[in-house]
Amino acid sequence: DAGVTQSPTHLIKTRGQQVTLRCSPISGHKSVSWYQQVLGQGPQFIFQYYEKEERGRGNFPDRFSARQFPNYSSELNVNALLLGDSALYLCASTPSGLAAEETQYFGPGTRLLVL
Amino acid sequence: QKEVEQNSGPLSVPEGAIASLNCTYSDRGSQSFFWYRQYSGKSPELIMFIYSNGDKEDGRFTAQLNKASQYVSLLIRDSQPSDSATYLCAVNGDNFNKFYFGSGTKLNVKP
Repeated sequence: DAGVTQSPTHLIKTRGQQVTLRCSPISGHKSVSWYQQVLGQGPQFIFQYYEKEERGRGNFPDRFSARQFPNYSSELNVNALLLGDSALYLCASTPSGLAAEETQYFGPGTRLLVL
Repeated sequence: QKEVEQNSGPLSVPEGAIASLNCTYSDRGSQSFFWYRQYSGKSPELIMFIYSNGDKEDGRFTAQLNKASQYVSLLIRDSQPSDSATYLCAVNGDNFNKFYFGSGTKLNVKP
């Protein structure tokens, strides 16, 4: 079975630009979460979506937005990029995100560099 | 803000030794605890999860949970150089819809 897929793998942008990152969850999983991992830190939660509805939002500015499609894939959008947005962006997949015992499985990530 | 604390290391152990990684968390309501391994430049991969107080063993790995002390640990027996990585502790948050991660402990296993 295919795992979580993300695209692109690497991206270079300049300050002020906008970026869209994409994620496809594991087949049968209906929930997608997005995380930002800055070098030397653990992943920080950005969003969770389940059945196209936002179920959770982390402490990120409104420049960050996301959506989930009927096929459960998801996009993360970041507007007005800042240098500090340079990070590894991780997508995680879970069956529903509704149960304590569910594990989040991570995709390979998209490494974003803002110049 | 829920917090998950880990010693950043690096923790250096010789090949064949037991590596002990520790994690504390601030939210007493946390129910699920996860250990991920992350190689440099790669994404986190799940090693183990634990929900109940006590020990849980899986091969060379043992997770230990003490909810009264808000403490979770990971033991790696017979450490191998391939175990050299950063180990992330994660705790489930409100309504299980987000994970809170520690900053990770870097483990070096010396041949």
